[in-house]
Amino acid sequence: AQKVTQAQTEISVVEKEDVTLDCVYETRDTTYYLFWYKQPPSGELVFLIRRNSFDEQNEISGRYSWNFQKSTSSFNFTITASQVVDSAVYFCALSEARPGANSKLTFGKGITLSVRP
Amino acid sequence: KAGVTQTPRYLIKTRGQQVTLSCSPISGHRSVSWYQQTPGQGLQFLFEYFSETQRNKGNFPGRFSGRQFSNSRSEMNVSTLELGDSALYLCASSRGQVATEAFFGQGTRLTVV
Repeated sequence: AQKVTQAQTEISVVEKEDVTLDCVYETRDTTYYLFWYKQPPSGELVFLIRRNSFDEQNEISGRYSWNFQKSTSSFNFTITASQVVDSAVYFCALSEARPGANSKLTFGKGITLSVRP
Repeated sequence: KAGVTQTPRYLIKTRGQQVTLSCSPISGHRSVSWYQQTPGQGLQFLFEYFSETQRNKGNFPGRFSGRQFSNSRSEMNVSTLELGDSALYLCASSRGQVATEAFFGQGTRLTVV
């Protein structure tokens, strides 16, 4: 069975601080996908990134960066120079990657990030 | 291109009633998944449809059902509503064969009184 753990529940930072959101996952699959989604107060889940299990190259996109470490089953997300608009709930998710598999996402409980001016 | 559209946005129903929620996926997407989000349980997978066939089902009672039409639009139905069914119901669409990025609608907020 798949499981995603986001041990942090709430994080509060002051604008311009860097913040890292932790994600640890469990799966028996040898190939899988990892995701991060953002949920602003409007409710819609906004896709941020997808990583394949066979690609451990870390990625930077603007103020966002992701650190994928298969050895520790972690997929952490860092926001550099946080802004008030980053305030939202952030979800880490996991799914199978084999052909023919369904698109079911297993989500963590989410981390509520508050960025204060 | 248009995103995922869910209707209605808000619903208030009475215990024992039934409800139908609708989801129109992004054009060209053949997979539609449904999730229930509650403060206590978080985001839980309900079911997924691909090309009108249910491909996977989560651990929910039979009161929760769904279907997908030939144009990929999907509906989910909850019968004999209980107070605990109050939740945000989110629909996600994706291209299908393997888990690509799923795009979510804004959800339907169901309140059962």
